[in-house]
Amino acid sequence: DGGITQSPKYLFRKEGQNVTLSCEQNLNHDAMYWYRQDPGQGLRLIYYSQIVNDFQKGDIAEGYSVSREKKESFPLTVTSAQKNPTAFYLCASRKQGALGEKLFFGSGTQLSVL
Amino acid sequence: AQSVTQLDSQVPVFEEAPVELRCNYSSSVSVYLFWYVQYPNQGLQLLLKYLSGSTLVESINGFEAEFNKSQTSFHLRKPSVHISDTAEYFCAVEGPETSGSRLTFGEGTQLTVNP
Repeated sequence: DGGITQSPKYLFRKEGQNVTLSCEQNLNHDAMYWYRQDPGQGLRLIYYSQIVNDFQKGDIAEGYSVSREKKESFPLTVTSAQKNPTAFYLCASRKQGALGEKLFFGSGTQLSVL
Repeated sequence: AQSVTQLDSQVPVFEEAPVELRCNYSSSVSVYLFWYVQYPNQGLQLLLKYLSGSTLVESINGFEAEFNKSQTSFHLRKPSVHISDTAEYFCAVEGPETSGSRLTFGEGTQLTVNP
C-alpha cells in the first residue's frame, strides 16, 4: 500500500538537544510538507519542498531545518533554537504543481520536552 | 494573503441531530476549498473539496458543503450525525495567492457527538 510513514510516533527532547523527525513516502510525489499542530491553532506550515534538493521556508521556519536529498524522504530537525517545540508534527505530500489536489498525511509525531 | 476562519472551536451535538461547521475565507481571487477530518492521534484525511462547477459538494459518508462566493463561506453540514463522526474538522483554502502550491488551514472545529 502506498502512503506516508512518520517516525517515531512519540519523541522526547532534552534541553539544548537537536532531534530529527522522519518522513518517508512511496507515493512518487514531488511535493512534501511539514506542519506543526498546536491545540486551537490549526496547522501551521514549517517547511515545504517541491523537488529534490530544493525547499522553502513556511510561516514558522525559525528553529527548524530540513533536507531533501531523496524524493521519498523529507526529514525535519528541531534545533535547540526552537524554544517551544512541544507540538504534534505532521508530514504531508502531494503531486507537484497540482493545485486542488489533496494532501496525503502521515500519522504524526508527538514531540515533548523533558 | 489568504486566510481561513472557522467560527466555532467546539461543537457538541447529540447523535442523529443535524450539524453545521462554519468556515469563512478571505481572498480576492478564485480559490479551491477543502474540508479535512482528523481522528484522534492521526493525520488528516480529505473529506471533500470544491474546485469549480456545482457549488454543492458531497462526501461518501453523508457530509456536504456549499461554496458561497458572495459570502466567502464554505460551511460543512450533515443532516444526521453518528458517534463515529466525532473528530476535529479543518477547513482549508488554496489559490493563486499562495506560493509553492500550499494550503492555508483554519484553526479547526472539534465535533463531539454524544449518545
